Amino acid sequence: EAGVVQSPRYKIIEKKQPVAFWCNPISGHNTLYWYRQNLGQGPELLIRYENEEAVDDSQLPKDRFSAERLKGVDSTLKIQPAELGDSAVYLCASSPRGTPGHEAFFGQGTRLTVV
Amino acid sequence: AQKVTQAQTEISVVEKEDVTLDCVYETRDTTYYLFWYKQPPSGELVFLIRRNSFDEQNEISGRYSWNFQKSTSSFNFTITASQVVDSAVYFCALRTDKLIFGTGTRLQVFP
Repeated sequence: EAGVVQSPRYKIIEKKQPVAFWCNPISGHNTLYWYRQNLGQGPELLIRYENEEAVDDSQLPKDRFSAERLKGVDSTLKIQPAELGDSAVYLCASSPRGTPGHEAFFGQGTRLTVV
Repeated sequence: AQKVTQAQTEISVVEKEDVTLDCVYETRDTTYYLFWYKQPPSGELVFLIRRNSFDEQNEISGRYSWNFQKSTSSFNFTITASQVVDSAVYFCALRTDKLIFGTGTRLQVFP
């Protein structure tokens, strides 16, 4: 079974430029998460989807970040415009259902560097 | 408020030593789940174990063991006879409605 797939693995952009990250969760997983992981820190939740509905986006900086999950499968996270402080690893994860007991399966992440 | 504290930032041991990674959590919920994840240099978070708040049984899986104590809100992780391949960052996580992580403990196992 294929795991969570993210692309690109690495991205370097200049500040004020837009950037997008893509995530393909494990087939059949209804719940999808986007996390941001700063250097030396644990992952911090940005947004959680149940199917195509964003059920928790309280930590998403909505002035510059947006996300979508069309058809409840793939998801895209966008930053526009990027700032230097957005440099981090962006992790996507999925789980079979929204119940807390299921572990989340993570992709390898996208390492974003804003220069 | 929910919080996960991993007070040990970095631990270094020599191969074959036993090592314990500490995790303390805070939540007002009576139903919750605790997790440990391993993050090797490749960056992918690998699930190790899940525990629910009603199951305080300790668990052993090979060289890994976990000690869950609700009385002290702790969920500690012990690696017995550590190996170089155990070198990674280990995260403890807590889930009620959302999954939150501690800041991680970097374990370095030297040959």
